Amino acid sequence: SYVLAQPPSVSVAPGQTATITCGGNNIGSKSVHWYQQKPGQAPVVVVFDDDVRPSGTPERVSGSKSGNTATLTITWVEVGDEADYYCQMWDSSRDQGVFGGGTKLTVL
Amino acid sequence: VQLLESGGTLVQPGGSLRLSCTASEVTFNTCDVTWVRQAPGKGLEWVSTFSASRPYTYYADSLRGRFAISRDTSKNILYLQMSSLRVEDTAFYFCACGSLVRGITYFFKDWGRGTLVTVSS
Repeated sequence: SYVLAQPPSVSVAPGQTATITCGGNNIGSKSVHWYQQKPGQAPVVVVFDDDVRPSGTPERVSGSKSGNTATLTITWVEVGDEADYYCQMWDSSRDQGVFGGGTKLTVL
Repeated sequence: VQLLESGGTLVQPGGSLRLSCTASEVTFNTCDVTWVRQAPGKGLEWVSTFSASRPYTYYADSLRGRFAISRDTSKNILYLQMSSLRVEDTAFYFCACGSLVRGITYFFKDWGRGTLVTVSS
């Protein structure tokens, strides 16, 4: 089965830039989506189709891909960005949804 | 888009349970309703996506045969029927609005609050 690999945790100080990676085989040819989940809440999509921001996602949140890695970048990090972040893709060869293991973003 | 899950409860191993995802008719006409689960303190796991337009239901390989989707069109409810439940099926079960992008990939743009299923003796 397809695996998306994320670092378990990322820590950053307020005002700095957080980078959360998502690695997968041949991910460059796939569409990657990103979700934010705060404690006790349902996930919220923050980026879809690699780099598209839904309405409500601030411009300081962006998605990109390079090689076998997709990246969620949050600039000017705020305390309110502290959450778990998940990448996700659809494995069309097997018609399966796949989530990464999640990354806990801590704002120091 | 509003989705509301219900039906979560405590069930014994080996038992069965049916969860409901209730939404508006508009939601069912514009979304491919999806179930995602999350064990307490763990990550997200995709369970199933129902494509109303095709129609076809996609299941996680690890759950196919034990979990099944059905729909009550008159009530705008999508059901997740779970059988032969195991302790490891304990999780919050979310239903979400699946959106197909460029005909090749789903993302989940709106989510319910989830319902907790506990499998324990």
